[in-house]
Amino acid sequence: DQQVKQNSPSLSVQEGRISILNCDYTNSMFDYFLWYKKYPAEGPTFLISISSIKDKNEDGRFTVFLNKSAKHLSLHIVPSQPGDSAVYFCAASEQNTGFQKLVFGTGTRLLVSP
Amino acid sequence: EPEVTQTPSHQVTQMGQEVILRCVPISNHLYFYWYRQILGQKVEFLVSFYNNEISEKSEIFDDQFSVERPDGSNFTLKIRSTKLEDSAMYFCASSLGQKHTFGSGTRLTVV
Repeated sequence: DQQVKQNSPSLSVQEGRISILNCDYTNSMFDYFLWYKKYPAEGPTFLISISSIKDKNEDGRFTVFLNKSAKHLSLHIVPSQPGDSAVYFCAASEQNTGFQKLVFGTGTRLLVSP
Repeated sequence: EPEVTQTPSHQVTQMGQEVILRCVPISNHLYFYWYRQILGQKVEFLVSFYNNEISEKSEIFDDQFSVERPDGSNFTLKIRSTKLEDSAMYFCASSLGQKHTFGSGTRLTVV
């Protein structure tokens, strides 16, 4: 039961260009979404999040867009840097349950080449 | 920035043995979690812990698993009788709300 899906297992981008990572979800009860970055042998590191009452949230080079009607969100990184090379996980939760477990997608491996 | 600390970083154990994975969450956080990631797969929720009791657990978290917060700072995951399929990275996390802060994980290898 894949409630959160990242259909692109990998993405290659040149340094300085835009990276766009996509995520789809099926559970309409999800109302909070997060992106995490993960390097090998490390835990996921929080990047940016968005509540369902918004359609965009920006933090420096990172912007997350949410399309609730399509149950789709995307993470834009611009400009991409080699240090951004990592696996990116989309995650979702239900704010109103009180216990906010995260449901993760399968991840997208981003490679930014110089 | 406050961190979640996990020990050990790598644990090798024989099938059928008990293991205890340890975590020190961020001190002012209220919610504590264990997740795991089998090699090449997604990060999966195991259990959440709030107010000194389990608040939610997944299907994976069967009777072989238990969690404890013995002294107000440590948070442990015990696997009573390990199986080969328990081999995975285990991540502890803590939060005040939705934003989880994760530890760097314990790689459990069951042989």
